[in-house]
Amino acid sequence: DQQVKQNSPSLSVQEGRISILNCDYTNSMFDYFLWYKKYPAEGPTFLISISSIKDKNEDGRFTVFLNKSAKHLSLHIVPSQPGDSAVYFCAASGRSGGSNYKLTFGKGTLLTVNP
Amino acid sequence: DTAVSQTPKYLVTQMGNDKSIKCEQNLGHDTMYWYKQDSKKFLKIMFSYNNKELIINETVPNRFSPKSPDKAHLNLHINSLELGDSAVYFCASSPRPYEQYFGPGTRLTVT
Repeated sequence: DQQVKQNSPSLSVQEGRISILNCDYTNSMFDYFLWYKKYPAEGPTFLISISSIKDKNEDGRFTVFLNKSAKHLSLHIVPSQPGDSAVYFCAASGRSGGSNYKLTFGKGTLLTVNP
Repeated sequence: DTAVSQTPKYLVTQMGNDKSIKCEQNLGHDTMYWYKQDSKKFLKIMFSYNNKELIINETVPNRFSPKSPDKAHLNLHINSLELGDSAVYFCASSPRPYEQYFGPGTRLTVT
């Protein structure tokens, strides 16, 4: 039962262009969403987050959009840089599990930014 | 200055053995976690401790036993290892809800 889905296993973009990574969720009790970035042989690192009361959060080149009615969020990276090449995990949290600290992760999308 | 560290980084062992993975965080966080990333790449929570108390215990075989001697350490002991235990295990810590800091992972291979 995948409550957080990242349907694109991989994405390839040119340097300088926009990267758009998508994520869908099924549990309407989720109230906080996050994106993590992971390089090979390293642990995931927190990138950006958004509360369910917002529809957009921006941090430098990274913007996360949330569409609650569609249960969909996306991460935009612009301009994309070769150093952005990594696996991006979407994660969600909420009170359904009885704890705010429990994150449910998607399967990840491998982003490759070509020079 | 590694914020969340795990040892060992790689662990190769035979079925039936008992092994431990250690985790330490120097961030002063109250909450620590163990996650398992299996061959299908899903990252799933196993356990969570807050100030040395177990607060999350997912459906994990009781061969897996976490131990938190203090709030900076959360170790994972696995008894009677099975082939299906092969995975990458990540430790994480958290200062507040939602924001988690992960260690580099321990790749466990059971032969």
